[in-house]
Amino acid sequence: DTGVSQDPRHKITKRGQNVTFRCDPISEHNRLYWYRQTLGQGPEFLTYFQNEAQLEKSRLLSDRFSAERPKGSFSTLEIQRTEQGDSAMYLCASSSTVRQGSWGVETQYFGPGTRLLVL
Amino acid sequence: AQSVTQLDSHVSVSEGTPVLLRCNYSSSYSPSLFWYVQHPNKGLQLLLKYTSAATLVKGINGFEAEFKKSETSFHLTKPSAHMSDAAEYFCVVSLISGNTPLVFGKGTRLSVIA
Repeated sequence: DTGVSQDPRHKITKRGQNVTFRCDPISEHNRLYWYRQTLGQGPEFLTYFQNEAQLEKSRLLSDRFSAERPKGSFSTLEIQRTEQGDSAMYLCASSSTVRQGSWGVETQYFGPGTRLLVL
Repeated sequence: AQSVTQLDSHVSVSEGTPVLLRCNYSSSYSPSLFWYVQHPNKGLQLLLKYTSAATLVKGINGFEAEFKKSETSFHLTKPSAHMSDAAEYFCVVSLISGNTPLVFGKGTRLSVIA
């Protein structure tokens, strides 16, 4: 496994601009998750996919946020008209429902995150 | 709905002394429970997970956790702290088998004093 990768690692943008982040999951992992972590807090769930289907979106995901996983492999998270409150670490994780771990409890593997600063 | 409460935001121990990080959970169903660690400027790493095979779970780097259903607790322990253990620790609950969205606690920052 090469691990979950995210790009870019850091992004500074001005308020009102659009940004897009990319996540490449562990190959053959069919589930992909996006979380957001603000300073001093634990990560919070945003949305997740099984293959290309988006299964659930958190109420944290306003209509300015959109996520895609067009071919069931990498995913993108776009934020339109960024606000200062969007400044956070955006984390991606992946897991497999096919290859269950011990006693059927699977592990979500996290990428290094993309740190966004909105000025 | 699931939730976790980490009872201490910051724990400080001396090197070589025991570590105890406390976590209580709430879940409508039999939960899947995890501990993750986050070192500065590094990604989240799984320490251990509760699978219902055993109530005492052993993880990496000498950490272990005990699932106590009657107390709804899943405390993390280590017999002897090392300087490299200094990090942020998150107690995490998942509704079903780890393949659903994880719910994180607010984290406990562990400091290790030489």
